[in-house]
Amino acid sequence: AQKVTQAQTEISVVEKEDVTLDCVYETRDTTYYLFWYKQPPSGELVFLIRRNSFDEQNEISGRYSWNFQKSTSSFNFTITASQVVDSAVYFCALSEAGGGGADGLTFGKGTHLIIQP
Amino acid sequence: AAGVIQSPRHLIKEKRETATLKCYPIPRHDTVYWYQQGPGQDPQFLISFYEKMQSDKGSIPDRFSAQQFSDYHSELNMSSLELGDSALYFCASSLGRHSSTDTQYFGPGTRLTVL
Repeated sequence: AQKVTQAQTEISVVEKEDVTLDCVYETRDTTYYLFWYKQPPSGELVFLIRRNSFDEQNEISGRYSWNFQKSTSSFNFTITASQVVDSAVYFCALSEAGGGGADGLTFGKGTHLIIQP
Repeated sequence: AAGVIQSPRHLIKEKRETATLKCYPIPRHDTVYWYQQGPGQDPQFLISFYEKMQSDKGSIPDRFSAQQFSDYHSELNMSSLELGDSALYFCASSLGRHSSTDTQYFGPGTRLTVL
């Protein structure tokens, strides 16, 4: 069975600090897909990034960066120079390739990130 | 860019009533997914459809049913509502159903309150 663990329930930092959100996953499939979604206080779920299991190249996009390591089953997310607008709940999610398609995502419990001015 | 549209955005029902939630996917997207998010919880997958056929099934109660229509919009029907059904219901859509390409884009959600 697939599982996503986000051990950090809540993180609070002061604006401009760097912050890393941890995600550890479990899956029996050799091919799988990892995602990060952001849920601001307004409630919508915003897609941030997708990473395929066969692509361990890390990525930087502006102030965001992602570190995918298959050896430790981790897919961590870092925000550099955090801003108040980054305050949200961040979800890590997993999808396995072994199903028949249109598979549902398995989400972690989420990390509530609070950026204080 | 056009996003997933959900209606209504808010819905208040009494116990044992029925509710119908609607989802209009992003244009050209042929796959829709439904999720339920309770207060302070992570989204839980309910069901998905590809080309009007049920594709994957999660923890959807027997009191709930869903379908996808010829124009690809989808409806989630909920009967005999219970207090525990109060939640935020998300619809997501993707282009195609293969995991290698089908990133799910979420709508704004429908907040259902059962009194």
